Amino acid sequence: QVQLVESGGGLVKPGGSLRLSCAASGFTFSDYYMSWIRQAPGKGLEWVSYISSSGSTIYYADSVKGRFTISRDNAKNSLYLQMNSLRAEDTAVYYCARQVRAMIPSRFDCWGQGTLVTVSS
Amino acid sequence: DIQMTQSPSSLSASVGDRVTITCQASQDISNYLNWYQQKPGKAPKLLIYDASNLETGVPSRFSGSGSGTDFTFTISSLQPEDIATYYCQQYDNLPFTFGQGTKLEIK
Repeated sequence: QVQLVESGGGLVKPGGSLRLSCAASGFTFSDYYMSWIRQAPGKGLEWVSYISSSGSTIYYADSVKGRFTISRDNAKNSLYLQMNSLRAEDTAVYYCARQVRAMIPSRFDCWGQGTLVTVSS
Repeated sequence: DIQMTQSPSSLSASVGDRVTITCQASQDISNYLNWYQQKPGKAPKLLIYDASNLETGVPSRFSGSGSGTDFTFTISSLQPEDIATYYCQQYDNLPFTFGQGTKLEIK
């Protein structure tokens, strides 16, 4: 079955770095756009970044632009999020999500279980 | 950025009730709107896409409607397992944005 499994979360000090991974299985990973979406404790959902199926098109939310880098390895069925210069406000559960693309990237139809990133001294 | 405003923010209803949540976009988004359900401690789950299409495997008591700036999500007969927070999400423009969520509780 379709599955996404995130890893790499943890406790990091402000200004530090962390790399999240998302392992995909059960579908042709290279056919799909992928996104990272986060949820601060007790808060709503915030889209962070997406990458096209080939990796040629990438977008970021303004809140992470210049600090986070999304990438993918289609040979390894894996999605990544390199997070640098982390701030307290980046504390959240980070989800990877598969994104269906019709004419444009649209719905998030499959989500991982999430990995918690805590930025604190 | 397109702002998505859901109402109400929380809702208490009885089993069997008809429940309606609204979502208003700050500009015309055509039908580029999805609805998700999130149960405590779990990842969100897609229920409705393109404003009114039911995702495969989702019970038919869930439905959506609307276009332009005003959208509605309905549960025709509330079940105990429907207790969750519900989010709308637009994909007309980047950044993709979500409503603030509607927390649904059983009365």
